[in-house]
Amino acid sequence: LAKTTQPISMDSYEGQEVNITCSHNNIATNDYITWYQQFPSQGPRFIIQGYKTKVTNEVASLFIPADRKSSTLSLPRVSLSDTAVYYCLVGTLMNTGGFKTIFGAGTRLFVKA
Amino acid sequence: DTAVSQTPKYLVTQMGNDKSIKCEQNLGHDTMYWYKQDSKKFLKIMFSYNNKELIINETVPNRFSPKSPDKAHLNLHINSLELGDSAVYFCASTRLAGGNTGELFFGEGSRLTVL
Repeated sequence: LAKTTQPISMDSYEGQEVNITCSHNNIATNDYITWYQQFPSQGPRFIIQGYKTKVTNEVASLFIPADRKSSTLSLPRVSLSDTAVYYCLVGTLMNTGGFKTIFGAGTRLFVKA
Repeated sequence: DTAVSQTPKYLVTQMGNDKSIKCEQNLGHDTMYWYKQDSKKFLKIMFSYNNKELIINETVPNRFSPKSPDKAHLNLHINSLELGDSAVYFCASTRLAGGNTGELFFGEGSRLTVL
């Protein structure tokens, strides 16, 4: 499984767009890229998942270049409540069943007023 | 109505003791996991069960023994607890049938402190 690398922390202001990039140079053909959000004392919560190109949902966009060696989570117009740790995750659907995952170290986003 | 629930939420115990953490999901998922989150916030997969069968078993000491009595439950038993076992343990579930790509639903975590 591909190891992931992401910035340790980022600061932003309310209303700004935030882009967090994750590197996964050794990503394999069967790997999917997923991002999770975690607040203190809570479990991680799914944000978005993609395989290639661009994926958008109601809370974020995920940009994946053609070589898939990196991905960028884009959060439009962040608010104070978006202060959290964001994890980039590479996962593989295994032939034996299961979805094996490697979480990155997480990026601590701090949104200021 | 909690989707993935873990008990207990907090557990403080002495070295050498044996303890269990229970997990239940009411989402109808077929796959469940245990993750360990250490003090540096790294999340590491420990075990995964698919339809009650162990399918992922990472390099975890054999003092850790998962048990899945049915698809909705996955328990974690830890023997002879050590200081290094102190962490937050997260249970998660997902549906993999039908080619789904594993969006994980996590519980709130169980904070284990070994003294």
